[in-house]
Amino acid sequence: GAVVSQHPSRVICKSGTSVKIECRSLDFQATTMFWYRQFPKKSLMLMATSNEGSKATYEQGVEKDKFLINHASLTLSTLTVTSAHPEDSSFYICSLRVNQETQYFGPGTRLLVL
Amino acid sequence: DAKTTQPPSMDCAEGRAANLPCNHSTISGNEYVYWYRQIHSQGPQYIIHGLKNNETNEMASLIITEDRKSSTLILPHATLRDTAVYYCIVRVAWGAQKLVFGQGTRLTINP
Repeated sequence: GAVVSQHPSRVICKSGTSVKIECRSLDFQATTMFWYRQFPKKSLMLMATSNEGSKATYEQGVEKDKFLINHASLTLSTLTVTSAHPEDSSFYICSLRVNQETQYFGPGTRLLVL
Repeated sequence: DAKTTQPPSMDCAEGRAANLPCNHSTISGNEYVYWYRQIHSQGPQYIIHGLKNNETNEMASLIITEDRKSSTLILPHATLRDTAVYYCIVRVAWGAQKLVFGQGTRLTINP
C-alpha cells in the first residue's frame, strides 16, 4: 500500500495567491522529508530538505521565502508556494526516508498557476 | 555523489527482458547504486539498490560489474506497465540522504 500521500493531487490557482501542499507519511514517523519539483519532460530537482521541529534546508537557487516549508509533526510536512506566478506551475513531489537506505515518494501534486 | 550516465531512451518488446545500463565510473567505495522509476505523472518508485553484489527482488535484478563502474537493471519479463523513465543514482547510504536525479532512460515497452 501507499507509504506517502499528497494533497491536493491537482490545484489551479490565480497568479498572486498562495497554495499549500501537504505531504503525509502513512506508515512511518519521518524526521526528514524532501520536496522536489519537476517541469514537463525534465528530471526531478530537489528543492529542500524538511526537518521535523527545525528549519528546512533549501537547495541553492530555491527561495526560502517563496517556498515555505513546515514540518510540524513526524507525519506531516507542508509546502506553501507564496505569491504564485505562472512560472511556478510544476509537478511537486515529496519523499520521506524510511530507513538509512530507502526513500519513498508521494504521488505528486500538479500545480497550475493562471 | 558520483554522476551517472544512462542512454536517453530504449525500446523493448513485451515479454522480453529489458536490460537498462548505467555507467558510474567515478563511484566511490562507500556509494550504493540505486534504481528508481517514474511512470508518467506519478512519483518515483523505488526498485532496487546494491553495493557490489548482484541483487534480486520481486521487481528486478541488479547486476554490478566487479570494478563497480557500471551496472545493469534487468526487468526479466517486461510488461506494458513497465513503460517509464528509469533513474540510476549513486550515493552514500549512510551520509547525506538526498537523491540527485539525472535524466534517466525512457523505456518504452512495445506490444
